[in-house]
Amino acid sequence: DSGVTQTPKHLITATGQRVTLRCSPRSGDLSVYWYQQSLDQGLQFLIQYYNGEERAKGNILERFSAQQFPDLHSELNLSSLELGDSALYFCASSVSTVGEQFFGPGTRLTVL
Amino acid sequence: AQSVSQHNHHVILSEAASLELGCNYSYGGTVNLFWYVQYPGQHLQLLLKYFSGDPLVKGIKGFEAEFIKSKFSFNLRKPSVQWSDTAEYFCAVRGGTGGGNKLTFGTGTQLKVEL
Repeated sequence: DSGVTQTPKHLITATGQRVTLRCSPRSGDLSVYWYQQSLDQGLQFLIQYYNGEERAKGNILERFSAQQFPDLHSELNLSSLELGDSALYFCASSVSTVGEQFFGPGTRLTVL
Repeated sequence: AQSVSQHNHHVILSEAASLELGCNYSYGGTVNLFWYVQYPGQHLQLLLKYFSGDPLVKGIKGFEAEFIKSKFSFNLRKPSVQWSDTAEYFCAVRGGTGGGNKLTFGTGTQLKVEL
């Protein structure tokens, strides 16, 4: 157990819908990262937050957005879902912006 | 942008065989290098990391990796694998051109160890 929690574990939804994935970092970690793991794209960095502020952006679609709240948990919002958005979404956290990243168990999103 | 190549996508070994998984990254200046392991149904776990200093890095569970700067490589090794090493292994790089603090992962190597 890494100490990073993600909910829900599985999510099944339809095209065009909107979902929210939640991540709670390890106690004391200020930085949260989101990654997408899909069969065709592999593991890709989406976005990073540090203490509530966006810190770095990767290959995140405009239909996707994220935020980090004052209690440091983070949410990844995915809207206008497409079949290709089906993937495993991982959250990771670290103490600082450069510290070792600890990964959560992931949320498996299936878009039908 | 940084890129990471893992040449072996699927590897099958017998118990006690030696393991070497290749990892190469694209040029980009100072980088930090990592190997992560993902056991079936579990989250990614850090095996080892290289930031600076001795290029031969020892990690958990008997794994080690060697950073060869001239070859842009960070190969993972284990002298004798066990059935419990069956998992997917990811090489990752942080830093380099356009890298920032994000991790760039390779496509992963699926290792199956047979009894």
